[in-house]
Amino acid sequence: GQQVMQIPQYQHVQEGEDFTTYCNSSTTLSNIQWYKQRPGGHPVFLIQLVKSGEVKKQKRLTFQFGEAKKNSSLHITATQTTDVGTYFCAGINTNAGKSTFGDGTTLTVKP
Amino acid sequence: SAVISQKPSRDICQRGTSLTIQCQVDSQVTMMFWYRQQPGQSLTLIATANQGSEATYESGFVIDKFPISRPNLTFSTLTVSNMSPEDSSIYLCSVWGRANTGELFFGEGSRLTVL
Repeated sequence: GQQVMQIPQYQHVQEGEDFTTYCNSSTTLSNIQWYKQRPGGHPVFLIQLVKSGEVKKQKRLTFQFGEAKKNSSLHITATQTTDVGTYFCAGINTNAGKSTFGDGTTLTVKP
Repeated sequence: SAVISQKPSRDICQRGTSLTIQCQVDSQVTMMFWYRQQPGQSLTLIATANQGSEATYESGFVIDKFPISRPNLTFSTLTVSNMSPEDSSIYLCSVWGRANTGELFFGEGSRLTVL
């Protein structure tokens, strides 16, 4: 079945440093989504990428979808303490009609 | 986005008992999804609940352990049956956004601890 791998598992940064998490799928994806889960909270949808090579920005967050539609990344510029949480990618295979979540990257930010 | 209410938000249960989790959505949706998130882990899809038909279960999950009801287009329940400590998890209800383009919106989750 479809597998979605995410690295790193944990990332500790000083406030102001950049952060990147990477997502790789064993199969070609239709779309990829990113979610953020704050400690004690539930996953919140951030963005969906659909096109090969697509890049989208949300303020300090930059999302990329690989040319082969098998990998993606989330980059945060100049992290803030409000960025703490676990970031999940989810690969969508429309043939299967469901999302497969990566293991997540937990970000901690030291003030 | 969709507004999803889930209850209970948390519970402590005894081994061997069953607990039913309720999920209410503020709009009619075709599919509702139930996920499990074990401590410190990712989200695993348990089943997809469609109104008027039996739920579709993912590999490793069976109806006898996780019976699901879907009586109408805004409501679903998930029962965790004959619980053991390994069932201690967060159970999350989710639906697609109104655009039906696949983005998921989650309830706040039900955190179950089984003693």
